[in-house]
Amino acid sequence: DAGVTQSPTHLIKTRGQQVTLRCSPKSGHDTVSWYQQALGQGPQFIFQYYEEEERQRGNFPDRFSGHQFPNYSSELNVNALLLGDSALYLCASSPEWDGKIYGYTFGSGTRLTVV
Amino acid sequence: GEDVEQSLFLSVREGDSSVINCTYTDSSSTYLYWYKQEPGAGLQLLTYIFSNMDMKQDQRLTVLLNKKDKHLSLRIADTQTGDSAIYFCAETPGKIIFGSGTRLSIRP
Repeated sequence: DAGVTQSPTHLIKTRGQQVTLRCSPKSGHDTVSWYQQALGQGPQFIFQYYEEEERQRGNFPDRFSGHQFPNYSSELNVNALLLGDSALYLCASSPEWDGKIYGYTFGSGTRLTVV
Repeated sequence: GEDVEQSLFLSVREGDSSVINCTYTDSSSTYLYWYKQEPGAGLQLLTYIFSNMDMKQDQRLTVLLNKKDKHLSLRIADTQTGDSAIYFCAETPGKIIFGSGTRLSIRP
């Protein structure tokens, strides 16, 4: 049983460009969350998708957007990249039972470097 | 506000016990988690404790929860070199909020 799969594993982009990161959740999981982890920091919550809608959002600008597809996979898009967007982007999936969330499973992340 | 705090570093001798501490802020958190992150890797869920429990033991891991003080701790018994990693405490008021992580290093 595959866990959470993220692609690509590494990416280098230039300032001002746009990037799309992809995530396939663990089988049986329908909720996907995205996190940004800067070097030496804990992961910061970007947003969460459930039933193809953004359900919660952290303190990130509108340059960060996402999408969830009917098969529960998800994309994270970042526009107008800044040097400060360089980080490890983590996707986490979980099942949703009775409106509560148990047991997030994390992918290995996409390392984005903006130059 | 949302803030999970941990000490940044812990160094222990191989074979000793490690205790990693964390304070959190949201008393509505349903679950509290401990995650492990090894270099270049994603986060691995180590264990969790439900908010109505005081203690949970899972092999070498013991989690203690003091809801009154909003204090969570993770004890690793018989610490091994493979336990070297960054350990994150996290609370779940709907979404997971992580601390900055405690880097555990093991000395011989």
